[in-house]
Amino acid sequence: DADVTQTPRNRITKTGKRIMLECSQTKGHDRMYWYRQDPGLGLRLIYYSFDVKDINKGEISDGYSVSRQAQAKFSLSLESAIPNQTALYFCATSDSANTQYFGPGTRLTVL
Amino acid sequence: DQQVKQNSPSLSVQEGRISILNCDYTNSMFDYFLWYKKYPAEGPTFLISISSIKDKNEDGRFTVFLNKSAKHLSLHIVPSQPGDSAVYFCAAFVGTYKYIFGTGTRLKVLA
Repeated sequence: DADVTQTPRNRITKTGKRIMLECSQTKGHDRMYWYRQDPGLGLRLIYYSFDVKDINKGEISDGYSVSRQAQAKFSLSLESAIPNQTALYFCATSDSANTQYFGPGTRLTVL
Repeated sequence: DQQVKQNSPSLSVQEGRISILNCDYTNSMFDYFLWYKKYPAEGPTFLISISSIKDKNEDGRFTVFLNKSAKHLSLHIVPSQPGDSAVYFCAAFVGTYKYIFGTGTRLKVLA
């Protein structure tokens, strides 16, 4: 079984809709991250969390919110989706050696 | 401004030969670097890392070289295999939480 899972894997939605992307991990790591990847760009950090009570904005958090429901679960929400949020979204965890482990990604299309 | 740069979007190499992927960074304070490999429809997976106290780190067919004076690192794959065909990202770990990713290089190993 995969250590970091993301649901859904693909989603098509319309402008203005609320969307939640979910991430679960079985690695037991405290640190979790949400990134987006756009063509021609590297991964950009949206939010990160060091533990359930410690959530921080990344470089591109506008238009997004997160919830850390448990050590193992970290959800990303788009309250009102817009077309320029069309991207590939990755969840990741990291260990004490600062190695990150990524989920398989969610491809989101906002029409 | 891109702080971690991968100037070659793509690279093709014959099977059995050496693949060299390059990465440049702008901040001399960066002191820990990682390489990730990404297959289509999967998340990035950790490949190899290097700390600035070293100039070389080796793991099987993969070797990363760090030239601090030039602010340059490279990943060597010897010998290259068709299964190595993927997108490779370099990243710098900065401060206590932040990973800055390059834009990736797509490697194609020709059989």
